[in-house]
Amino acid sequence: KAGVTQTPRYLIKTRGQQVTLSCSPISGHRSVSWYQQTPGQGLQFLFEYFSETQRNKGNFPGRFSGRQFSNSRSEMNVSTLELGDSALYLCASSSIQQGTGELFFGEGSRLTVL
Amino acid sequence: GQQLNQSPQSMFIQEGEDVSMNCTSSSIFNTWLWYKQDPGEGPVLLIALYKAGELTSNGRLTAQFGITRKDSFLNISASIPSDVGIYFCAGPDNYGQNFVFGPGTRLSVLP
Repeated sequence: KAGVTQTPRYLIKTRGQQVTLSCSPISGHRSVSWYQQTPGQGLQFLFEYFSETQRNKGNFPGRFSGRQFSNSRSEMNVSTLELGDSALYLCASSSIQQGTGELFFGEGSRLTVL
Repeated sequence: GQQLNQSPQSMFIQEGEDVSMNCTSSSIFNTWLWYKQDPGEGPVLLIALYKAGELTSNGRLTAQFGITRKDSFLNISASIPSDVGIYFCAGPDNYGQNFVFGPGTRLSVLP
């Protein structure tokens, strides 16, 4: 059974640009969560989608947004990029709503903002 | 909100040695998850614990769910070079809304 797939793995953007990251969860999983990981802040929760609805949101500005499609694939978008947005963005899927099951992570998308 | 603390922050051990690390909280958790993250990769789930006092093994790894529900331990026996990485503990918050992650323990194995 394929794991969580994230694309792209690496990308470089400049300040002010926007970026879209994609995540395909494990087949049959309906919950997709996004995390930002930086050396200084550890794993920070961005948001969770379950059955195409945003169920929960972390403490990030409105420049960070996401969505989930009917096939459970999810995208997250960051607009007006800032240098501090450079991070590893991790997607995790779960068969049930986050907080009650096990999370399985993808390999991440490494974003560098210049 | 709920927080998880991990100790030690980092550790250097010789290949073949046993390793012990722990995760603590001031509040109760009903599930404990242990993850390992290799550099540049996503965390991989090692062990999941669901019951106070539970002791679960996965190869050379053993984890325990503390009786107080406020801590968990991870032990690695006979360490090898591929054990290098960051080990995270995690658990769902009391509202079942989110997972809380510890800051991680960075393990280095010296040959």
